[in-house]
Amino acid sequence: DIQMTQSPSTLSASVGDRVTITCRASQSISSWLAWYQQKPGKAPKLLIYKASSLESGVPSRFSGSGSGTEFTLTISSLQPDDFATYYCQLLEAFGQGTKVEIK
Amino acid sequence: QVQLVESGGGLVKPGGSLRLSCAASGFTFSDYYMSWIRQAPGKGLEWVSYISSSSSYTNYADSVKGRFTISRDNAKNSLYLQMNSLRAEDTAVYYCARDGGIAAHRPYYYMDVWGKGTTVTVSS
Repeated sequence: DIQMTQSPSTLSASVGDRVTITCRASQSISSWLAWYQQKPGKAPKLLIYKASSLESGVPSRFSGSGSGTEFTLTISSLQPDDFATYYCQLLEAFGQGTKVEIK
Repeated sequence: QVQLVESGGGLVKPGGSLRLSCAASGFTFSDYYMSWIRQAPGKGLEWVSYISSSSSYTNYADSVKGRFTISRDNAKNSLYLQMNSLRAEDTAVYYCARDGGIAAHRPYYYMDVWGKGTTVTVSS
């Protein structure tokens, strides 16, 4: 089974910061990696699919990259609405999540 | 609009059973793989199961294999999860989610539509 290691687990940042979250897969099996944003008490929201494709309606400050075993989610300029927890998913495996907090 | 609405959650004793339902609307339900994903209190997301558009293929997480059964009724635009032999560790919010591939022959493994979830609590 694939294991996903997401880092960091918590990230403190300020509005306007560039933020990067990384997911590493235990094996290189697919580039069908997705990124989700989840706010407390809400369902996850798809941001990125197939590693780098931006879901319709998602702001362009979100971008995804990577292949093989290492993938990255970047928020180019953090906005107040972006403080949330982010998860990666590769096949059936989810990362542990990264909570983006206000610094 | 495109919508998924889960129901059927509740409090059940260990060893008990529960059947979750998910009503889909706003899209051609029979074109999509569907999944159940859960989230234990304060924890991350865990994929539970998927089913193909025609019900031909199903897959389960090891943690629920042999206890949970996923099914669907395309005529009723509904997805189900029959949960038997429930354990305390099955306590979670259960989300119904649509796979991102349309008319696909395999799951695309990204969920582009999610329901709001239904809460299952397993406790004596």
